[in-house]
Amino acid sequence: DQQVKQNSPSLSVQEGRISILNCDYTNSMFDYFLWYKKYPAEGPTFLISISSIKDKNEDGRFTVFLNKSAKHLSLHIVPSQPGDSAVYFCVSPWAGNEKLTFGTGTRLTIIP
Amino acid sequence: DSGVTQTPKHLITATGQRVTLRCSPRSGDLSVYWYQQSLDQGLQFLIHYYNGEERAKGNILERFSAQQFPDLHSELNLSSLELGDSALYFCASSVGDDLPWYNSPLHFGNGTRLTVT
Repeated sequence: DQQVKQNSPSLSVQEGRISILNCDYTNSMFDYFLWYKKYPAEGPTFLISISSIKDKNEDGRFTVFLNKSAKHLSLHIVPSQPGDSAVYFCVSPWAGNEKLTFGTGTRLTIIP
Repeated sequence: DSGVTQTPKHLITATGQRVTLRCSPRSGDLSVYWYQQSLDQGLQFLIHYYNGEERAKGNILERFSAQQFPDLHSELNLSSLELGDSALYFCASSVGDDLPWYNSPLHFGNGTRLTVT
């Protein structure tokens, strides 16, 4: 089974600075992860993903890093913008019978 | 706009009642997933249908059931409702049958907020 944990329920970052959201996982057999972003009153939207064949995946201002030895991944947002204020979920698709396992998320607030 | 439509947006009902939540997937998507998000919780996977067939079940209560119709829309039926069933219920769709890889991530609707009083 796979568990993903986002230990920081919230994070505040100044506009223009770097936001770093962290996620730990338990099972190294399942090294594939997705990040979803969720605004209030909306469903989650897919942001970026990474698999074990890469240590890094980049899409514009968003970069995800995978540290397989530490069972840790992080999402970097540079530069942070007010529109990035949302809840971010680290998600694993390999969680036994559960198609996607969502953590409780990290609420990111960008301060203008 | 994800292209996934969920109705109704809000639903208020009493304990013991039965409700039906509806989901229309994106055009061309064959898979429909249902998730429950209770207050301050992550999203819990309930059930997955592909082209009318049930593919996987998560922690779905026996009081809950779902189906996917030939036109690919899906309904989630919740019966004998309890206060603890109050939550946001999300539907998501994807093109394929299997796990959402790079090219076919899940696309979520905006959810139905169910309040049981």
